[in-house]
Amino acid sequence: ETGVTQTPRHLVMGMTNKKSLKCEQHLGHNAMYWYKQSAKKPLELMFVYSLEERVENNSVPSRFSPECPNSSHLFLHLHTLQPEDSALYLCASSQGSYPATNEKLFFGSGTQLSVL
Amino acid sequence: KQEVTQIPAALSVPEGENLVLNCSFTDSAIYNLQWFRQDPGKGLTSLLLIQSSQREQTSGRLNASLDKSSGRSTLYIAASQPGDSATYLCAVMESWGKLQFGAGTQVVVTP
Repeated sequence: ETGVTQTPRHLVMGMTNKKSLKCEQHLGHNAMYWYKQSAKKPLELMFVYSLEERVENNSVPSRFSPECPNSSHLFLHLHTLQPEDSALYLCASSQGSYPATNEKLFFGSGTQLSVL
Repeated sequence: KQEVTQIPAALSVPEGENLVLNCSFTDSAIYNLQWFRQDPGKGLTSLLLIQSSQREQTSGRLNASLDKSSGRSTLYIAASQPGDSATYLCAVMESWGKLQFGAGTQVVVTP
């Protein structure tokens, strides 16, 4: 158990649905991240929040909308997704504020998303 | 643009053999290099972090080396066990704290 919890573990949605992924960290960390892991591809950084402010938006389509209401919670709101958005979405946190140049990241178990 | 390559993409070894996993990167201007383990359908677990000024890090049966000038890192796992079966990912920390990941090496240790 890494102290980072993601829900749901699995999600199947149609292209017209709206859904949200949730991440919660119990580590008192200051930075939280969303990563996308597609089959056979390296992890891609999507968003970074540091001290509840978005500091990175890595050219992610607007159909993905992050929200960080407080330092312990991070959401990824999904709408009008495409089948190629099917992937494992991973949340992570690190202790210091971003950029955390010499700190370990702690990952959740991910949400496996399938878009039909 | 930083590129991280892991070779081989997959390997299978009998229990007890030592594992050698390779990682190469194209831009040596990094803050650190990290090795992670990922079990199927799960998140990543941090194994070792080597700062750019260091040459190696050790934790139990794991040893990772870093040669920044040649853009290479090697993860050694001694006396492999079936429980070591997983995908191993390396990542380099670039400026501004961005982690750039390789695609991983899938390891199977057979009893």
